Amino acid sequence: GAGVSQSPSNKVTEKGKDVELRCDPISGHTALYWYRQSLGQGLEFLIYFQGNSAPDKSGLPSDRFSAERTGGSVSTLTIQRTQQEDSAVYLCASSLVRGANTGELFFGEGSRLTVL
Amino acid sequence: GESVGLHLPTLSVQEGDNSIINCAYSNSASDYFIWYKQESGKGPQFIIDIRSNMDKRQGQRVTVLLNKTVKHLSLQIAATQPGDSAVYFCAERRRGGGSQGNLIFGKGTKLSVKP
Repeated sequence: GAGVSQSPSNKVTEKGKDVELRCDPISGHTALYWYRQSLGQGLEFLIYFQGNSAPDKSGLPSDRFSAERTGGSVSTLTIQRTQQEDSAVYLCASSLVRGANTGELFFGEGSRLTVL
Repeated sequence: GESVGLHLPTLSVQEGDNSIINCAYSNSASDYFIWYKQESGKGPQFIIDIRSNMDKRQGQRVTVLLNKTVKHLSLQIAATQPGDSAVYFCAERRRGGGSQGNLIFGKGTKLSVKP
């Protein structure tokens, strides 16, 4: 597609269940980011993938959160044993990195997660 | 610690007036700044950017000003329209790479335009 695609757009789950959120970045973009946005709040960095480099996981809030990026393209963010405080919009973004410089980020519409 | 922050969390303006959204940054190594607009229920969208070797950059109805002396960034919107109502984020890129893809976001300012 022309933009960053995320699925599902909405997910309601019960506390304790695992969820998977998918991000399909813009073709050719080597950098991929996951952010979390709670209601009325800013963007909380979670994880960053750049090419074949080891991902920067410094923003993951706990070991219940993990992400992978297969083949340098699609990424999946997994939250295990979900808690109510995990409820938020999870935003994915991709960019075309030139050298050491991060270009403009293109965001998806986000996946809204509600944990009951 | 080092951070990107905003002076005002909310801003309410009258339709037709000019809006000014402010952002403070503390890392003098940052060399590139971006403003994003996020409408309700959507992902952030790029508005305008500016490199640290510039003081001002203009777009369509928007102007970004950079004051490196006081580490301050502002976004000016001329003749604000109801469609400008959104949350605005500034972001800085820190030279030399590192964590977070070297891009750090501020907390955002909500702009409300009154008809």
